[in-house]
Amino acid sequence: DIQMTQSPSSLSASVGDRVTITCRASQSISSYLNWYQQKPGKAPKLLIYAASSLQSGVPSRFSGSGSGTDFTLTISSLQPEDFATYYCQQTYSTLMYTFGQGTKLQI
Amino acid sequence: EVQLLESGGGLVQPGGSLRLSCAASGFTFSSYAMSWVRQAPGKGLEWVSSFSGSGNRTYHADSVKGRFTISRDNSKNTLYLQMNSLRAEDTAVYYCAKVGAYGDYPPYYYGMDVWGQGTTVTVSS
Repeated sequence: DIQMTQSPSSLSASVGDRVTITCRASQSISSYLNWYQQKPGKAPKLLIYAASSLQSGVPSRFSGSGSGTDFTLTISSLQPEDFATYYCQQTYSTLMYTFGQGTKLQI
Repeated sequence: EVQLLESGGGLVQPGGSLRLSCAASGFTFSSYAMSWVRQAPGKGLEWVSSFSGSGNRTYHADSVKGRFTISRDNSKNTLYLQMNSLRAEDTAVYYCAKVGAYGDYPPYYYGMDVWGQGTTVTVSS
């Protein structure tokens, strides 16, 4: 099974900050990496697929990069609505799409 | 509007069974793979099971293999999760999700682009 490890587990930042979250896969997954945002009491929302492609309707301040085993999610200028928990997910293993443990972004 | 609506959650004793349903609307249900994802209280997301869009292939996480069974009825646009031999550690909010495909030609990239609101399963005596 492919294990996904995110760092940090939590992060404190301020409005306007540039923030980077890292995700590492236990084996190469090419670009089969997604990022999700989840707010308390809500379902997750797909932000980025294929490591760097922005899902429709997602603000351009979100960006993703990486391939192989190391990936990053960057928020260029934090907005108040961005404080949430972020998860990476690998889609390399057919329909066995495991998640990272999450990164909680706090004010 | 594309929508997923889960139902069937509730309180069940350890060792008991429950069947979750996910009613889909607004898209061609039979064309897409579907998944169940759960989230235990205060914990992260855990992929549980998936059903392919074609070929009737199913996949389950090791934590539920042999106890949970995913199925779908394309005539009813509904996804199911049959949960048997439930344990306290199965307590969670269960989400169903549509697996979208991206790209003009293979290999496609996939992402869970539509989610339901979740249904809560509590396993306790």
